[in-house]
Amino acid sequence: DQQVKQNSPSLSVQEGRISILNCDYTNSMFDYFLWYKKYPAEGPTFLISISSIKDKNEDGRFTVFLNKSAKHLSLHIVPSQPGDSAVYFCAASRGSGYALNFGKGTSLLVTP
Amino acid sequence: DAGVTQSPTHLIKTRGQQVTLRCSPISGHKSVSWYQQVLGQGPQFIFQYYEKEERGRGNFPDRFSARQFPNYSSELNVNALLLGDSALYLCASSWAVTGELFFGEGSRLTVL
Repeated sequence: DQQVKQNSPSLSVQEGRISILNCDYTNSMFDYFLWYKKYPAEGPTFLISISSIKDKNEDGRFTVFLNKSAKHLSLHIVPSQPGDSAVYFCAASRGSGYALNFGKGTSLLVTP
Repeated sequence: DAGVTQSPTHLIKTRGQQVTLRCSPISGHKSVSWYQQVLGQGPQFIFQYYEKEERGRGNFPDRFSARQFPNYSSELNVNALLLGDSALYLCASSWAVTGELFFGEGSRLTVL
């Protein structure tokens, strides 16, 4: 069963606007959450993470928000750039260093 | 510095055959994890090794096995291949058990 869900397979955003990618999880034992970015023919690249003791983590243009009560997290990219076009995977684990449970990914297209 | 390297990058096997995939972690990294990514899905955890010991195993049949060598490189073996084993096999390394995972580009296995 899918414990991490990304319900939007694709998203298209104009350059300069905000991209919001969403992720839901079902396992209340998850306490560490990550976003990975994947270009074709490359392995996933770590983008940003957040632990359950926080509700927000920011790194440059990327911000992850965590709503534990709703079991929901989101990735905000501001401003979006064409180079951000990739597949974004949400992942969760029971602590850092444990097996990652990935969602199916959201394909982001940023148009000029 | 070299990233995580995997070999072979592509291979084709027939049902019932056996395959060995290889992974060299980033220099200094002691933990290696294997993930399977089927088309249209997110990566799914297979194994994690740390200091040559199996630290975790995902929900995969016993046909899947792995090991880690003294130089921290790793092999993933799959016996009695099935059509459903066709996937991208990703190796990831980290400095310790915890910490950011760095992924290789993967080995794409096609089973005919």
